[in-house]
Amino acid sequence: DTAVSQTPKYLVTQMGNDKSIKCEQNLGHDTMYWYKQDSKKFLKIMFSYNNKELIINETVPNRFSPKSPDKAHLNLHINSLELGDSAVYFCASSQAAVGGGELFFGEGSRLTVL
Amino acid sequence: GQQLNQSPQSMFIQEGEDVSMNCTSSSIFNTWLWYKQDPGEGPVLLIALYKAGELTSNGRLTAQFGITRKDSFLNISASIPSDVGIYFCAGPLWAGGTSYGKLTFGQGTILTVHP
Repeated sequence: DTAVSQTPKYLVTQMGNDKSIKCEQNLGHDTMYWYKQDSKKFLKIMFSYNNKELIINETVPNRFSPKSPDKAHLNLHINSLELGDSAVYFCASSQAAVGGGELFFGEGSRLTVL
Repeated sequence: GQQLNQSPQSMFIQEGEDVSMNCTSSSIFNTWLWYKQDPGEGPVLLIALYKAGELTSNGRLTAQFGITRKDSFLNISASIPSDVGIYFCAGPLWAGGTSYGKLTFGQGTILTVHP
């Protein structure tokens, strides 16, 4: 079984559309994250949820709205997509407030905005 | 802010060669992590270091936590084709006594191994 799974793996859409990416983890972790990897492979945190509560909200346009229905799921909804949103979005999870930052990542969702 | 500078940016080596890459920061880190990202996959944790001076091995991989807490290196011995990928160093950013896994990542080292 996949520990952290996200869908879809690939998403191609037009500018201005709204899209969602879903993530589920079966590791029993309390904390989940969204990271963005740009074309230069740089990884940057976007959001973090601990037990369904938003913990980290980096400087991300408010077109991006995460939602955590329960601690095993964290979805990302993006409104009014722009060209610059094209990237690979990674979901990750960890034990609650782990100082070591040992994250388990999903396979990524590659978003292409045309 | 806390940033990690990773070098080299890319390496092209022959199978069987040893590899060394490092990561430096202007800030002190209490934990150093090394991740590997295979093409089309998410990063996977290779080695975690928690103590200054610590030297840890995982198979052919060896990583060290620098004494100054501002650097770390990763060595791969006797490289094989499946070692190809991007290697990232990372460290937790702290705020309010906890990091909540808020990792800052280095720029990555792209490793290519020729058979």
